[in-house]
Amino acid sequence: DQQVKQNSPSLSVQEGRISILNCDYTNSMFDYFLWYKKYPAEGPTFLISISSIKDKNEDGRFTVFLNKSAKHLSLHIVPSQPGDSAVYFCAARRLIQGAQKLVFGQGTRLTINP
Amino acid sequence: DAGITQSPRHKVTETGTPVTLRCHQTENHRYMYWYRQDPGHGLRLIHYSYGVKDTDKGEVSDGYSVSRSKTEDFLLTLESATSSQTSVYFCAISESRMRGGQRNSPLHFGNGTRLTVT
Repeated sequence: DQQVKQNSPSLSVQEGRISILNCDYTNSMFDYFLWYKKYPAEGPTFLISISSIKDKNEDGRFTVFLNKSAKHLSLHIVPSQPGDSAVYFCAARRLIQGAQKLVFGQGTRLTINP
Repeated sequence: DAGITQSPRHKVTETGTPVTLRCHQTENHRYMYWYRQDPGHGLRLIHYSYGVKDTDKGEVSDGYSVSRSKTEDFLLTLESATSSQTSVYFCAISESRMRGGQRNSPLHFGNGTRLTVT
């Protein structure tokens, strides 16, 4: 059973416009939600996170929104830049003995067109 | 990436052979993790460690074992490799009780090992 789902395998956006990436989850036990960005042949890099008790977190061009009643989160990137082209993974976290067990979605490939 | 080294970066092996992947960190972080990435599945947790000699299973641990004899090294072993274990393997580290009041650092990933089992 997929506890975290990203239903859009790919997304294409024009440079300067807003990119919106979506993620759904099923388990209410997660305490944090995170977004990671991944370039080819590199490991995922942390982008932004949000606590389950918040509904919005903003960091520069990146904003994450959390709708707990719908079990849905989204990442907004504005304005989109060519360097934002990458695969984006959402992840949900549970803490077990201090270890962070992350459950990842399948990823969304974002392409920013000039 | 700075702080985490995975070796080898690429490996091709035959079905039935043992394989060990190594993750080495210079950050002195307590927690270490092994994930695999496959198309359509994202990243899935194989095993993790919460200290020297302290390890536990993740969601896809069958066919894998791990060892952590030193803080800086976390080894992933495939006792008898199968074609279904062809994947990209990522090691990650994290810490708790960070300076500045933060309780947990986000997981920081290495650059991965691409394993092909023929």
